[in-house]
Amino acid sequence: ETGVTQTPRHLVMGMTNKKSLKCEQHLGHNAMYWYKQSAKKPLELMFVYSLEERVENNSVPSRFSPECPNSSHLFLHLHTLQPEDSALYLCASSQDWASGKLEQYFGPGTRLTVT
Amino acid sequence: QKEVEQNSGPLSVPEGAIASLNCTYSDRVSQSFFWYRQYSGKSPELIMSIYSNGDKEDGRFTAQLNKASQYVSLLIRDSQPSDSATYLCAVVNYGGSQGNLIFGKGTKLSVKP
Repeated sequence: ETGVTQTPRHLVMGMTNKKSLKCEQHLGHNAMYWYKQSAKKPLELMFVYSLEERVENNSVPSRFSPECPNSSHLFLHLHTLQPEDSALYLCASSQDWASGKLEQYFGPGTRLTVT
Repeated sequence: QKEVEQNSGPLSVPEGAIASLNCTYSDRVSQSFFWYRQYSGKSPELIMSIYSNGDKEDGRFTAQLNKASQYVSLLIRDSQPSDSATYLCAVVNYGGSQGNLIFGKGTKLSVKP
């Protein structure tokens, strides 16, 4: 595997379900991100992890819960979602701030539909 | 609120022409700028990064940066139908503890054969 991978690629879930999205990066980076992309809106940053520590949470509802067990893996745990949470969820990775290399590389995304 | 503005388009150019995509940003201290290409149904793909005023060329792509005017652009020479996509401008946000990116809404480019 190369680059950034995400599973599943598509997910349909009911409002009472619990599911998790998984992201893995094979680039040797140490910062990882979750973004939400809805139609006709800019990419919205949800969570940032640097060296496995959460450094930013952009006021995301508590029904989204991130987990970063190590610098290569990132999860997004979902529970009691709303239909408006249907979107493309993108994971990205980069080197950390100190390196000055701030280019972010994206995974293929998970297309989430909440019914 | 820091913002990145792009014309949403669609921008339509004939095959072989130069496509010019523009982006303005509100944060004067921004130092790092990126262009991403996103095909329909796919994730964003990094195509250019630029850090200094002036031009940076990579193949058919040229990024131009003018920090005084808070303006960054992307030129695509000899446009091909395969260049048809949405182009996202991204600017580093130095307000947080990590170098987060702020994205524009993107400009949709259509290259007609």
